[in-house]
Amino acid sequence: AQSVTQPDIHITVSEGASLELRCNYSYGATPYLFWYVQSPGQGLQLLLKYFSGDTLVQGIKGFEAEFKRSQSSFNLRKPSVHWSDAAEYFCAVYGGATNKLIFGTGTLLAVQP
Amino acid sequence: GAGVSQTPSNKVTEKGKYVELRCDPISGHTALYWYRQSLGQGPEFLIYFQGTGAADDSGLPNDRFFAVRPEGSVSTLKIQRTERGDSAVYLCASSSGQGAAAFFGQGTRLTVV
Repeated sequence: AQSVTQPDIHITVSEGASLELRCNYSYGATPYLFWYVQSPGQGLQLLLKYFSGDTLVQGIKGFEAEFKRSQSSFNLRKPSVHWSDAAEYFCAVYGGATNKLIFGTGTLLAVQP
Repeated sequence: GAGVSQTPSNKVTEKGKYVELRCDPISGHTALYWYRQSLGQGPEFLIYFQGTGAADDSGLPNDRFFAVRPEGSVSTLKIQRTERGDSAVYLCASSSGQGAAAFFGQGTRLTVV
């Protein structure tokens, strides 16, 4: 069955520094992959998605993610973090056969001045 | 509507009572999902509808939980004989079809006292 692992529970970066959040998935076929962001007390907002084609996908708010099949990874990156990026980030994989969107446990991002 | 709408936003109920949580998906979206999110956790899949039928209800924790979508639009999640362990944020999402990105509502925070 498909699954998603986010190894980092909590990450702190300085404002202006670069960011990379890790995501590893388990799925037999080519997965549909997503990153969502959740600010405190808010619902989940879609940042970006990968379905096929170019393995580097651009999203909103300056985020990008790269699909690496050989590593079963879909890491989220941003070159320069802003204080407003502090939130929880969830990676998700969509399993076609079961039609379920399965989420990782999330990475909580803190941004320090 | 413009987005996924969930009502109520907050619900406090006594242990043993029955509750209904409502979800209005984005107009035209055929797929609808219910998730449960506990504090510090990722969204946990409950049930997925394609049209009026439940395509996958494998995430419902027990027979106290039930969901319907009679006309293929609005969905109601029903919880009987609520328990304190049911306290969580219940999230609804909709998408335009299999494999498409899912858009989430703000959630219903259920507290069982």
